[in-house]
Amino acid sequence: EVQLVESGGGLVQPGGSLRLSCAASGFTFSIYWMSWVRQAPGKGLEWVANIKQDGSEKYYVDSVKGRFTISRDNAKNSLYLQMNSLRAEDTAVYYCARKGTAGRYSDYWGQGTQVTVSS
Amino acid sequence: DIQMTQSPSTLSASVGDRVTITCRASQSISSWLAWYQQKPEKAPKLLIYEASSLENGVPSRFSGSGSGTEFTLTISSLQPDDFATYYCQQYNSYPLTFGGGTKVEI
Repeated sequence: EVQLVESGGGLVQPGGSLRLSCAASGFTFSIYWMSWVRQAPGKGLEWVANIKQDGSEKYYVDSVKGRFTISRDNAKNSLYLQMNSLRAEDTAVYYCARKGTAGRYSDYWGQGTQVTVSS
Repeated sequence: DIQMTQSPSTLSASVGDRVTITCRASQSISSWLAWYQQKPEKAPKLLIYEASSLENGVPSRFSGSGSGTEFTLTISSLQPDDFATYYCQQYNSYPLTFGGGTKVEI
């Protein structure tokens, strides 16, 4: 069974940093692109970043470029999101998701981890 | 960036109704469109990919159609478990973008 379990969320002050982790199991992690998607309170879904199987390609939404870094450790079956210079508008539930086999949609999602940026 | 516009934003329906949700792209995305269902406090669930391909395990009352800039998600006979919010997503090009969502309520 495919499982994605996020961790690392919490309350952080504006300008602070946080590192999210996603532990993957039930599939061969190293052969899949992976994604982070977020959802602000009461709002819709927003794609944040994608990373290729070997980490050689990364894509970001403009609003996080230069502040967030997506990475992975295939030996540990883990995906990460390093978030720096956090802003109030980064407050959201962050989901880890696996890219589907037939395109850049997401076929499996974790349960999400809450990130709150507030003083 | 490709903008995705869903309509309606809210839809009131009853069990057994046929429901149609529309998603429009600001430019052609071929058939690179997915539909997701999300229930409160839960992660999204993939329903449809490549505009009309049903994900494994998704009931056949869900169907998708369209190409280019106009797409629809149809639920042929609404069931109690289907009351949720539905999102479309284009994956033709980066940045990947979602529609604003359609809440299906009683």
